[in-house]
Amino acid sequence: SAVISQKPSRDICQRGTSLTIQCQVDSQVTMMFWYRQQPGQSLTLIATANQGSEATYESGFVIDKFPISRPNLTFSTLTVSNMSPEDSSIYLCSVGGVMNTEAFFGQGTRLTVV
Amino acid sequence: KNEVEQSPQNLTAQEGEFITINCSYSVGISALHWLQQHPGGGIVSLFMLSSGKKKHGRLIATINIQEKHSSLHITASHPRDSAVYICAVRAPAQKLVFGQGTRLTINP
Repeated sequence: SAVISQKPSRDICQRGTSLTIQCQVDSQVTMMFWYRQQPGQSLTLIATANQGSEATYESGFVIDKFPISRPNLTFSTLTVSNMSPEDSSIYLCSVGGVMNTEAFFGQGTRLTVV
Repeated sequence: KNEVEQSPQNLTAQEGEFITINCSYSVGISALHWLQQHPGGGIVSLFMLSSGKKKHGRLIATINIQEKHSSLHITASHPRDSAVYICAVRAPAQKLVFGQGTRLTINP
């Protein structure tokens, strides 16, 4: 199993500013995943963060808006840049769920942009 | 049509009732996950299935690969079971695809 510590748990931010979300895993993992969950919607994958290489972004998500760092095998950050109210969502990091392994999630960051 | 469909979308029941949440999917999969999302947003993995049935406490998950269908059952439901339950599937070498979730409310 894996335990993921994600912070902050929630934040209210002004439009135009940026917020960095951190995830710390209690074990080394190759891939970490960042998801967005818009109000009333299901989870959408933003990007896959691999240690030592650029993150792989899904269609509709770009590095300038959601820069990701992965400095080592236990830590990653997601920044939501130049925020607008449309960015108000829950953001979650996750590990596992590949090669028929169990998926583990952080506690989520509930972001409100005003 | 979504690749993963859950039903019902919302379910309200009385404490002690037997609960069933259904998940149907349209693609061949290598694994199916049942997840529980608490009001704060955090997600807990309940089960990962590729065949048959699994049980953990009052929770039971079944999957029928031929019919592309899975069910999550909760026996002797309790108000603390109130949460959103999410089904997610993984096709071989593909990312996880999530259902819309079922919001369960158990009243005392």
